[in-house]
Amino acid sequence: DGGITQSPKYLFRKEGQNVTLSCEQNLNHDAMYWYRQDPGQGLRLIYYSQIVNDFQKGDIAEGYSVSREKKESFPLTVTSAQKNPTAFYLCASSPAGYGYTFGSGTRLTVV
Amino acid sequence: GESVGLHLPTLSVQEGDNSIINCAYSNSASDYFIWYKQESGKGPQFIIDIRSNMDKRQGQRVTVLLNKTVKHLSLQIAATQPGDSAVYFCAETPYNQGGKLIFGQGTELSVKP
Repeated sequence: DGGITQSPKYLFRKEGQNVTLSCEQNLNHDAMYWYRQDPGQGLRLIYYSQIVNDFQKGDIAEGYSVSREKKESFPLTVTSAQKNPTAFYLCASSPAGYGYTFGSGTRLTVV
Repeated sequence: GESVGLHLPTLSVQEGDNSIINCAYSNSASDYFIWYKQESGKGPQFIIDIRSNMDKRQGQRVTVLLNKTVKHLSLQIAATQPGDSAVYFCAETPYNQGGKLIFGQGTELSVKP
């Protein structure tokens, strides 16, 4: 089955730690996106990539970093510079900017 | 900044009734709109989409209406069922912005049996 997989489902981060969230897709989609969702809120764009080895900042990129070394993979690192990282993180992919497919999300909690 | 907003944060309907969820968007350059359903703890699921050259599109039990004059989008769910209970988001894609989706705040639909 084609799809988009995020892991882990739950992640706990200590203060000052960097953590990396995984996002893999086997849909052969060119574009991939990372969104952050806070409780009772909509989704806000962190980073996106339209092609391998290229990515752009979204609306709330500070404290995050990404890489796009392979078409299938778009990992997100939440760095210690992100002061309020507790949130639900969603990865998505699309073939040409239309028809997003979302992953099931990673819930990150600072402990 | 540009945003897609929703008129009502919550909507409660009786099972079997029709539901209408509204959305206002601000970017007149948006050419593609999507409605998503999100259940608790899960990623958004695609429901239906519409391009700016259309006014109406129908799916199974759902209809999306687009009024470009007043920048308004609505989702109609026929014969609402308990399984329709979720948060519904509209999203817009401004033309030539790399396929970025701009999401609204969401409307929580609660279906009473």
